[in-house]
Amino acid sequence: EDQVTQSPEALRLQEGESSSLNCSYTVSGLRGLFWYRQDPGKGPEFLFTLYSAGEEKEKERLKATLTKKESFLHITAPKPEDSATYLCAVQAYSSNTGKLIFGQGTTLQVKP
Amino acid sequence: DAGITQSPRYKITETGRQVTLMCHQTWSHSYMFWYRQDLGHGLRLIYYSAAADITDKGEVPDGYVVSRSKTENFPLTLESATRSQTSVYFCASSPRGVGYEQYFGPGTRLTVT
Repeated sequence: EDQVTQSPEALRLQEGESSSLNCSYTVSGLRGLFWYRQDPGKGPEFLFTLYSAGEEKEKERLKATLTKKESFLHITAPKPEDSATYLCAVQAYSSNTGKLIFGQGTTLQVKP
Repeated sequence: DAGITQSPRYKITETGRQVTLMCHQTWSHSYMFWYRQDLGHGLRLIYYSAAADITDKGEVPDGYVVSRSKTENFPLTLESATRSQTSVYFCASSPRGVGYEQYFGPGTRLTVT
């Protein structure tokens, strides 16, 4: 069964304290791995797509990396406005529908 | 550029009533999706559509009906609402579906009493 597990569930950081969020996946052939940011009361906002092991994507203080079993979202020198829930999702080759399988998310709080 | 909108944003209904959640996108994306988000379950796919008049079931379709007569609209109907359908519902769209990212609407918070 295709599955996505994110850790930790919650993370508290001081402003400027770098860290990483983990997304472990089990899927019958990875078509793509997606990172989203979700603010309270809003829909998920697309951040990155990764397709193959070794691929990296960057956007401001965020950097996403991918291996054959997991993905990391590295947050460098975070600011309070980076506080949000970060969702990881995978799309499997077994799906011809574009279906995304989501993890439970990591809720990040950055304190000033 | 409105993107993807959902209405209503909040809805309270009674058990047994029919309720329709609306989704509209201005990008002319072919693919559209409905998800529900619940604590402990994350986001789960209810229905999806690859194009106008083409729809199919996702992971949790029971109790829901969809239609897509126009590319830009993808309404979700709860035929007879139950308390277990209390949730936050998100509509999403994608230009090409398979292998590509989806863009989400702001969500509808539905409470069934």
